[in-house]
Amino acid sequence: GAVVSQHPSWVICKSGTSVKIECRSLDFQATTMFWYRQFPKQSLMLMATSNEGSKATYEQGVEKDKFLINHASLTLSTLTVTSAHPEDSSFYICSAAADPGQGLKNIQYFGAGTRLSVL
Amino acid sequence: AQRVTQPEKLLSVFKGAPVELKCNYSYSGSPELFWYVQYSRQRLQLLLRHISRESIKGFTADLNKGETSFHLKKPFAQEEDSAMYYCALKGLSNTGKLIFGQGTTLQVKP
Repeated sequence: GAVVSQHPSWVICKSGTSVKIECRSLDFQATTMFWYRQFPKQSLMLMATSNEGSKATYEQGVEKDKFLINHASLTLSTLTVTSAHPEDSSFYICSAAADPGQGLKNIQYFGAGTRLSVL
Repeated sequence: AQRVTQPEKLLSVFKGAPVELKCNYSYSGSPELFWYVQYSRQRLQLLLRHISRESIKGFTADLNKGETSFHLKKPFAQEEDSAMYYCALKGLSNTGKLIFGQGTTLQVKP
């Protein structure tokens, strides 16, 4: 149990286009999901906390209009990188925190990540 | 400020040797500490957390509030332990967000 699916795993796009990344909790419900960015050989940097039914909470320095987050259901959060540029190229990882009462640990379960390359 | 520090980027040991991956934290309160592991080409997964006081795959970690440390230890390293290890902190706020350390690559040589 507690599988988080992230799609796509790899995407290449042209500069100026928008890219949507999906994060799904396959067998549990998650009111709260998280989006991270990871640079090569560096740690995970939290970008934002995604809350079902309400606006995402962004970390300091993360552009809300650049990284649009939509948490439309208890099993799906999406991150859209708008007007992507080469400096947005990175590894994006999502995680989901299982809602109580599902027999799961109160921890974050991680997706496999999405590698974004902007040409 | 909340911060997690893993001072070693790379730790290389021989199989059978003891391992200690260091983690220090800065937090004004009583945080919850975790160790996550990422094996080659796999996703991040929980190794252990301090509130469980458990031993997973032979690894243990004790929270030392006086030294604000949560070092990960294993008495006898195995080659399959080679991976990236991240120490993480969760504060007492309801957001549930994690603050990660920089990560330590553990390389266990045969």
